[in-house]
Amino acid sequence: GENVEQHPSTLSVQEGDSAVIKCTYSDSASNYFPWYKQELGKRPQLIIDIRSNVGEKKDQRIAVTLNKTAKHFSLHITETQPEDSAVYFCAASYPGGKLIFGQGTELSVKP
Amino acid sequence: DGGITQSPKYLFRKEGQNVTLSCEQNLNHDAMYWYRQDPGQGLRLIYYSQIVNDFQKGDIAEGYSVSREKKESFPLTVTSAQKNPTAFYLCASSRGLAGGVADTQYFGPGTRLTVL
Repeated sequence: GENVEQHPSTLSVQEGDSAVIKCTYSDSASNYFPWYKQELGKRPQLIIDIRSNVGEKKDQRIAVTLNKTAKHFSLHITETQPEDSAVYFCAASYPGGKLIFGQGTELSVKP
Repeated sequence: DGGITQSPKYLFRKEGQNVTLSCEQNLNHDAMYWYRQDPGQGLRLIYYSQIVNDFQKGDIAEGYSVSREKKESFPLTVTSAQKNPTAFYLCASSRGLAGGVADTQYFGPGTRLTVL
């Protein structure tokens, strides 16, 4: 079925450390993989995305890697800061243009 | 995503009543989506529309209905058949499919529905 698994569900790091969140998807036809950040009570905001013709993409402290063979992709945040604390969601595209979202990872960055 | 608005921000409804949530966008996007978010959970797709006058069911469409009469608007009705409607509802829009490739979705601010 259409499914995206996301791990871990919670992640606590010290300020300055790196954080990694992993997702797997089920459909080899998926070709678009966005990551969203959601602060409490707010709307999800896109932070980075990757398409299936690319293996890695970076934007300052944030990077995403994609392994199409294994059907998994990961978010890497380096030099974490307290303002990085939020819930992060991965998603994968499925036929018809829809996105299926993972369950979310609550990241806590301790000063 | 400032071009997507949802109203109202908070909505209270008595059990057994239908209620309609508004979603408007001025981004000239073809596609629009409705998601439901429960505490501590991800976003689950209710309905989506890739073009005016057409829409498809998502994973949890039971107890909900939508219409897409205008490109800018995609209202969601939560009917009395929805057994547990208390949740945070998010609307999103995107340019839609281009050559079979999905595009970025931008979210509205959400409506928090509480059934009393």
